[in-house]
Amino acid sequence: DGGITQSPKYLFRKEGQNVTLSCEQNLNHDAMYWYRQDPGQGLRLIYYSQIVNDFQKGDIAEGYSVSREKKESFPLTVTSAQKNPTAFYLCASSPRDSQGADTQYFGPGTRLTVL
Amino acid sequence: DAKTTQPTSMDCAEGRAANLPCNHSTISGNEYVYWYRQIHSQGPQYIIHGLKNNETNEMASLIITEDRKSSTLILPHATLRDTAVYYCIVRVAETSGSRLTFGEGTQLTVNP
Repeated sequence: DGGITQSPKYLFRKEGQNVTLSCEQNLNHDAMYWYRQDPGQGLRLIYYSQIVNDFQKGDIAEGYSVSREKKESFPLTVTSAQKNPTAFYLCASSPRDSQGADTQYFGPGTRLTVL
Repeated sequence: DAKTTQPTSMDCAEGRAANLPCNHSTISGNEYVYWYRQIHSQGPQYIIHGLKNNETNEMASLIITEDRKSSTLILPHATLRDTAVYYCIVRVAETSGSRLTFGEGTQLTVNP
């Protein structure tokens, strides 16, 4: 069954603790992305990675870190430096089709609540 | 990426066609039109995309006007499970990864 998995679906952490969100894909996609969504708002890009061992900051990278050691995995760490970490986190991946338009496919998301 | 304008909300009767409009009057020649939808508390789902020609897949049809300044997403036989926020996004495909900029979208409610 091909797809993008994120775990866990719900995550609770105490303030000041780092937490790592998992994202795995078996679609053989090269690019992977992390977005954040706050209630009633659109998605904002945190980090993205085009190839293994390479990644770039998105619009709101402060307080987050990522790694891309394997093509299928792109974990996101929410550090204690992130001032408002409570949010819905979405991972996506994309291939590139023959017309040059890359389509992003999303995982089910992880809802992080910091107490 | 070009800005898009969508109605805030729409209603549709179950079994009827849902036609969701999107204006993108500043679209450039190399920008694609994408449609995604997001059901409450789930990840966005890709629906369809196009450049100039009309497109159809198993989920929907995309009609792009000849001047490319607007488009319409058509769900031919809406079901209750199609209730979601629908996002129209215009963007250039870049070689080094590109962000999706989601606006506020259209809340489509399919009524029994």
